[in-house]
Amino acid sequence: KAGVTQTPRYLIKTRGQQVTLSCSPISGHRSVSWYQQTPGQGLQFLFEYFSETQRNKGNFPGRFSGRQFSNSRSEMNVSTLELGDSALYLCASSIDLNTGELFFGEGSRLTVL
Amino acid sequence: QKEVEQNSGPLSVPEGAIASLNCTYSDRVSQSFFWYRQYSGKSPELIMSIYSNGDKEDGRFTAQLNKASQYVSLLIRDSQPSDSATYLCAVYYGNNRLAFGKGNQVVVIP
Repeated sequence: KAGVTQTPRYLIKTRGQQVTLSCSPISGHRSVSWYQQTPGQGLQFLFEYFSETQRNKGNFPGRFSGRQFSNSRSEMNVSTLELGDSALYLCASSIDLNTGELFFGEGSRLTVL
Repeated sequence: QKEVEQNSGPLSVPEGAIASLNCTYSDRVSQSFFWYRQYSGKSPELIMSIYSNGDKEDGRFTAQLNKASQYVSLLIRDSQPSDSATYLCAVYYGNNRLAFGKGNQVVVIP
């Protein structure tokens, strides 16, 4: 069974640009959540989607947005990139509506110059 | 603000010893708690979940929960070099949302 797949794995952008990251959950998993990981702040929750609906959003500015498609695949977008957005962005999927047992992808490492 | 604290610095343990990791959380209503392991350059993976007060054992890992003290711990018995990783404590807040501590790095010395 394939795991959570994230693309691209690495990317470099400049300030002011925007970026779109993609996540394909494990087959059958309908919940997809996104986390930002930095050395200083650790893992921080961005948002979670279930059946194409955003159920929860973390404490991030509106520049961070996401969506989920009918096949459960998800994308997140960051507009007007700032240097502080440099981080590892992790997608996680869960088979159930409400367990907290997450399966993480390998992440997309974003560097903003 | 839902906070999860892991205050200990890097932990070095000799091979075969017990590694003990601690975590406290701020929200009393939390009901589900997890430990994730993250190897350097890899993504976190779930190793333990605990929902009730007391101990839960799985192989060489034991999770301990004390809701009154808002305290979760993880014991790794007979530590192996392959246990060298960062261990993340996580508290569940519904809708598959987790709050993570910043992690404790464990180094097992052969």
